Amino acid sequence: DTEVTQTPKHLVMGMTNKKSLKCEQHMGHRAMYWYKQKAKKPPELMFVYSYEKLSINESVPSRFSPECPNSSLLNLHLHALQPEDSALYLCASSQGLAGDEQYFGPGTRLTVT
Amino acid sequence: SQELEQSPQSLIVQEGKNLTINCTSSKTLYGLYWYKQKYGEGLIFLMMLQKGGEEKSHEKITAKLDEKKQQSSLHITASQPSHAGIYLCGAKLYSSASKIIFGSGTRLSIRP
Repeated sequence: DTEVTQTPKHLVMGMTNKKSLKCEQHMGHRAMYWYKQKAKKPPELMFVYSYEKLSINESVPSRFSPECPNSSLLNLHLHALQPEDSALYLCASSQGLAGDEQYFGPGTRLTVT
Repeated sequence: SQELEQSPQSLIVQEGKNLTINCTSSKTLYGLYWYKQKYGEGLIFLMMLQKGGEEKSHEKITAKLDEKKQQSSLHITASQPSHAGIYLCGAKLYSSASKIIFGSGTRLSIRP
């Protein structure tokens, strides 16, 4: 099983809303990632969690707040977003950090109005 | 990413024909990953290459990492409509890195 699930599939939110994106994997992977992908652009790394601890933050604005409650779950809390934050948000997981392939979820299409 | 160049940007191929997509790095590659993405969907992992000269195949798709570990090619034999999509190469540019940097992608269309 190489499945990473993400919910919701689509999300529309206003600039004053608070919402959360959820990612789950049951492959026993110890590293999880959030990527942001704008239209016709490659994915860009936002955050990396390793063994439930934040390992990398790619200078992401504080209106994006990641959380890793356990080794299978990864959340991305959203608050006071801007229209330019509209994008496809992808979650991925890997066995470890170095050298391991990452498996991606289907993504959440976020629209900020 | 300027560190990872992918070519061509788009490709239209007659069904049944072969094709090659290239991925070139300005730095030594410590891991090279090929993914396929349908528009607006997640990335599907295809192959990972780590050793210079390494070659892997899956069904009709073959990927190679050159000896100097700075370039990879993805070759599709006898293309089918199911091969259509966006092919992304991703790379780890440092031996201790957990970060994958992606190329800009190649949009592949298969003409019946």
